[in-house]
Amino acid sequence: AQTVTQSQPEMSVQEAETVTLSCTYDTSESDYYLFWYKQPPSRQMILVIRQEAYKQQNATENRFSVNFQKAAKSFSLKISDSQLGDAAMYFCAYRSYPPNFGNEKLTFGTGTRLTIIP
Amino acid sequence: DARVTQTPRHKVTEMGQEVTMRCQPILGHNTVFWYRQTMMQGLELLAYFRNRAPLDDSGMPKDRFSAEMPDATLATLKIQPSEPRDSAVYFCASGLSNSGANVLTFGAGSRLTVL
Repeated sequence: AQTVTQSQPEMSVQEAETVTLSCTYDTSESDYYLFWYKQPPSRQMILVIRQEAYKQQNATENRFSVNFQKAAKSFSLKISDSQLGDAAMYFCAYRSYPPNFGNEKLTFGTGTRLTIIP
Repeated sequence: DARVTQTPRHKVTEMGQEVTMRCQPILGHNTVFWYRQTMMQGLELLAYFRNRAPLDDSGMPKDRFSAEMPDATLATLKIQPSEPRDSAVYFCASGLSNSGANVLTFGAGSRLTVL
């Protein structure tokens, strides 16, 4: 079974600065997907970014980027130019790779609560 | 924007009562997931459907929980009888199987409080 570990329960960053959230995972699979989801106080789960394990290039979405280290099974999220609206819980998640109709469930880490300091 | 609709948003009930939570997945999505979120356990998968067929309900307490998809536009999660330890936020998510990453879209969740 796959496991996802987020070792930082809480992080804080000054507005406009950069912060990196850590995530490690354990799997015996060679192909898979990794995701970062954001959960603001409204509790809505919002996809921030995703990475396909077979792609070497790190995914980026505007101010959000990842550092994917497959050999180390590490998947960190970097938020640049932090904004007040980035304050939320951030969850790292793992998913097995289709197309053999493998289990499509997401396995989540325990989350990191990010506080933005004005 | 297409969205996953969950009802109710909030539910307060007494121990022993039946609770039914409903989810309308995004039109055209063929996978539906139920997750439970608590402070202690985080996000746990309760049930997973593909094309309305249950594929994984290993995380669901079978004695009191049941999950069904009567049709492609409705998924239900029932708790009978409810217990205080069932207090949590229950999320429904839907996706399109085999569509690349099958990115899941989550509903806003149903917060359940069992007194």
